[in-house]
Parts: sequence; structure tokens; C-alpha cells
Amino acid sequence: ILNVEQSPQSLHVQEGDSTNFTCSFPSSNFYALHWYRWETAKSPEALFVMTLNGDEKKKGRISATLNTKEGYSYLYIKGSQPEDSATYLCASLDGANNLFFGTGTRLTVIP
Amino acid sequence: EAGVAQSPRYKIIEKRQSVAFWCNPISGHATLYWYQQILGQGPKLLIQFQNNGVVDDSQLPKDRFSAERLKGVDSTLKIQPAKLEDSAVYLCASSFWGNSEQETQYFGPGTRLLVL
Repeated sequence: ILNVEQSPQSLHVQEGDSTNFTCSFPSSNFYALHWYRWETAKSPEALFVMTLNGDEKKKGRISATLNTKEGYSYLYIKGSQPEDSATYLCASLDGANNLFFGTGTRLTVIP
Repeated sequence: EAGVAQSPRYKIIEKRQSVAFWCNPISGHATLYWYQQILGQGPKLLIQFQNNGVVDDSQLPKDRFSAERLKGVDSTLKIQPAKLEDSAVYLCASSFWGNSEQETQYFGPGTRLLVL
């Protein structure tokens, strides 16, 4: 079982603000780090799968970085929009391809 | 491409009753996962299937939970009898092979269970 932690637990930002969240995971025996966005009443949507130290990935206004040596990943949202309101989950993959999730960061973007 | 389908979307039962959830993964996906997400916590893996075989069920409470994927396609998760602490969202996910760290797991919308 991998202990994955996310902060902050929740966040309220104004439309147009940029924001970022943190995901911490065990750095030993690292395989991959997954980011998901989960809107209420919808399916969790995969954002990124990251495997290499120093990796940076981008999807529109959302980007993520990975530091496997110190065991953290940052998710950035540039110019937040109301449709970005969701819970953002990160998960660390173990050697058996099982995902261990953090508790998520709930983002609310205020118009 | 159709996504992962789950039913029902919502279920309310009384404690000690039985309940079953159904999942149809993305066509061609060999690996299927069931997760339990209790309010305020992250999703927790209950069981992983590779085709119709169980790969990992170490976190499945086997005294009351059971799951099957008889033909290696759709799957059923059952709780019998339900307890109050089983109130949660039950998520099903699938992936193509389940043997690569680069592989994405695709999730269904979940079944929200409330046990009274």
C-alpha cells in the first residue's frame, strides 16, 4: 500500500487566476504517477501519466511536473475557468499496476 | 469509442440487505478494476481482473464482498450483507493490458451506494 497525500484539500480561486496543487508519494520503487480530474456526477477523466523524473506534461491550460527523487508532483492550471471546477486526484502506481490515490484537491473557480 | 458503463448510478438499501453493481469495460480492454471511494477519501482498489482471472483482491473484504468476471468482459460486484460503512461510490475502471506503467485506466461514472 502506497501512502499518497495531496494538498490543499480544497481551494477557491477567482476566474482568471492561476493555481497549483501538490501531490506527495513514496519516492522508493517508483513506477508512475497519474493525475485525474473528477467532475461531480461524471467519470474521473485521465489528465496525465508521468513516469520520468523531471517530466513535464501539458494539456491546454493544465500542466504537471514530476520529481521522483523527492516524491512530489505539481499540477498547474493557468487562467482558471469555471469549467475547471472539479476534484483533482493523483495516484501512484505500484509494481502490480495498482493505483493508490490521494484524497484529492477540490477546486472551485468563482466566476 | 464508448466509455466504461456502470449501473445502477444510484442505490439506496437498508443494512443487512444485498446489492449488486454491474460494469461493462471499454471493448477490448483485458484488465478491469473495482474501486471504493468513501466520502473524504481517495478511491481504494478492491479487486483487479486480467481477462476472467483475479490478479489482486488483497483489499477486498471477502466476508461480505464478492466479484466476478466470468467471460472476461463485463463484471459484477456484490455486497452481502451490506453495512453502514459500505456507503460509498463504487468505481469501475478498465485498461488495455494492465501490464505497463504508461497505461491509462479509464473510469466509469460510478455507482453511489447509500446504506441506511
